[in-house]
Amino acid sequence: GQNIDQPTEMTATEGAIVQINCTYQTSGFNGLFWYQQHAGEAPTFLSYNVLDGLEEKGRFSSFLSRSKGYSYLLLKELQMKDSASYLCAVIDSNYQLIWGAGTKLIIKP
Amino acid sequence: DVKVTQSSRYLVKRTGEKVFLECVQDMDHENMFWYRQDPGLGLRLIYFSYDVKMKEKGDIPEGYSVSREKKERFSLILESASTNQTSMYLCASSGQGVTGELFFGEGSRLTVL
Repeated sequence: GQNIDQPTEMTATEGAIVQINCTYQTSGFNGLFWYQQHAGEAPTFLSYNVLDGLEEKGRFSSFLSRSKGYSYLLLKELQMKDSASYLCAVIDSNYQLIWGAGTKLIIKP
Repeated sequence: DVKVTQSSRYLVKRTGEKVFLECVQDMDHENMFWYRQDPGLGLRLIYFSYDVKMKEKGDIPEGYSVSREKKERFSLILESASTNQTSMYLCASSGQGVTGELFFGEGSRLTVL
């Protein structure tokens, strides 16, 4: 079966750095998304990786290793507003989008 | 500013009632999707549509139907609501199929009593 694993919950301190991991086992691979979802709100797009390596976008970076079936989202200089759930999703060989259950990130002052 | 609007944020219905969830997008996107989101589970695709009057089943279509009579509007219908359909329902649209960025509505939280 197809599977995406993310930690259920993480806690970090304001101003610090946090890395949220995502591992996947899917039938093929055509890209990986990260979305952010604040409580009670719509998910919003953060990043898309299809090639190996690091993509940096301001305080957020996303890394992909296709050979390891692994991605991470790196958040720097954490702010209280970064408290949210972070959703990892993979496009499989049939161009179906497979979603992880999400990681709830709690930021403490 | 791109926008996906869902008609109701919160609904409470009784078992056996017919439920309509409406979704409208203003981005002229061809592709629209209905998901449900439950705690501890990833988003699960109910139905999607790549064109007007076209629909495809997703992973969990049982108990649901959809309608896409106009490009901008995608409706989800629960013919006879059941308690296990209590969930958050998210509509999304995309201009590039599943490989493109999805734009989500704010969700409709349905409670079936």
